[in-house]
Amino acid sequence: GAVVSQHPSWVICKSGTSVKIECRSLDFQATTMFWYRQFPKQSLMLMATSNEGSKATYEQGVEKDKFLINHASLTLSTLTVTSAHPEDSSFYICSARGLAGGPYEQYFGPGTRLTVT
Amino acid sequence: EDKVVQSPLSLVVHEGDTVTLNCSYEVTNFRSLLWYKQEKKAPTFLFMLTSSGIEKKSGRLSSILDKKELFSILNITATQTGDSAVYLCAVEGLGGATNKLIFGTGTLLAVQP
Repeated sequence: GAVVSQHPSWVICKSGTSVKIECRSLDFQATTMFWYRQFPKQSLMLMATSNEGSKATYEQGVEKDKFLINHASLTLSTLTVTSAHPEDSSFYICSARGLAGGPYEQYFGPGTRLTVT
Repeated sequence: EDKVVQSPLSLVVHEGDTVTLNCSYEVTNFRSLLWYKQEKKAPTFLFMLTSSGIEKKSGRLSSILDKKELFSILNITATQTGDSAVYLCAVEGLGGATNKLIFGTGTLLAVQP
């Protein structure tokens, strides 16, 4: 149980275009989903926290107009990287946490590797 | 400022060895400490610890938390090459509407045959 999927697993896009990444909790309902990015040989850095049906809370230094987060249902959150630039190239990982009675621990998706050329 | 520090940063051992990974933290309103194993993709959950002194065990892995001294250890006995990975420690603090995890930089473990 407690499976989280991400799509796509990797994407290459041109500078200036937008990319959408999906995060789904497959076998549980997630009150909260988190978006992280991870640069090579570095740890995970939280970008934003999204609760179903409300606006995401962004960490300091993360541009909310550049990284659009939508959490439309208890099983789906999306991250859209708008007007991507090469410095946005990174490994983006989502995690999900369940409702009361469900898994409280954060379970991670497999990640999406974004390369902006 | 909340922080999580892991040591050592990297470790090379031989199969069969026992290793101990360390995690110390300073977090406002501590709720839980979690250990994850990260291979090439996203982290996989190992343990969640909330109470001091109670060991959690899963096969050759075990972990314990000391809330007085603000640290946790992860032990791996009889290591195998498949244990090679980055081990991440994360601490959850109570705060605002949503609790969030603060990750350490991880310990890179390499197990040689």
